[in-house]
Amino acid sequence: DQQVKQNSPSLSVQEGRISILNCDYTNSMFDYFLWYKKYPAEGPTFLISISSIKDKNEDGRFTVFLNKSAKHLSLHIVPSQPGDSAVYFCAASDGSNYKLTFGKGTLLTVNP
Amino acid sequence: KAGVTQTPRYLIKTRGQQVTLSCSPISGHRSVSWYQQTPGQGLQFLFEYFSETQRNKGNFPGRFSGRQFSNSRSEMNVSTLELGDSALYLCASSLAGTAYEQYFGPGTRLTVT
Repeated sequence: DQQVKQNSPSLSVQEGRISILNCDYTNSMFDYFLWYKKYPAEGPTFLISISSIKDKNEDGRFTVFLNKSAKHLSLHIVPSQPGDSAVYFCAASDGSNYKLTFGKGTLLTVNP
Repeated sequence: KAGVTQTPRYLIKTRGQQVTLSCSPISGHRSVSWYQQTPGQGLQFLFEYFSETQRNKGNFPGRFSGRQFSNSRSEMNVSTLELGDSALYLCASSLAGTAYEQYFGPGTRLTVT
């Protein structure tokens, strides 16, 4: 039972354009969502998060949008840079069980 | 501030053996979680410890176990290794037990032959 789904295994965009990574979830108890970035041979690095009481959170080039009714969130990266090329994981927590449930990740490639 | 450290970084074991992996959290962090990453399954939660107590456990067989020491350092153990246990094992630490923002170590790459 995959509670957090990233349906696109990969995404390729041109440098300077917008990258949009999507994530869907099924568990209505999730109340906090996070995005992590992972380079090969490294652990995931926290990128940005959003609480279920908000529908948008921005941090520099990164913006996360949350649509609770659709159980959908997305990460926008504008403008995309070659250094953004990595695997992006969406994760969710319900705050009560001290764990994160991860999606399987999307490989983003930003072409110069 | 030093990040999360994991030792060893790489490990090769034979089926049937056991293995112990170590994790040192960020100073001041009292919660340590463990995850298994495989190509097919992504990151899957193993267990979480806070103040030496296991507070949550994922859906893994009893061969997977862990513990946390009074200095918050944690170890996980896998007994009777199987080929399917080959994976990247990631440790993450967070402040005061929150699951909201966890900081990951580089992982231990375990290969079972």
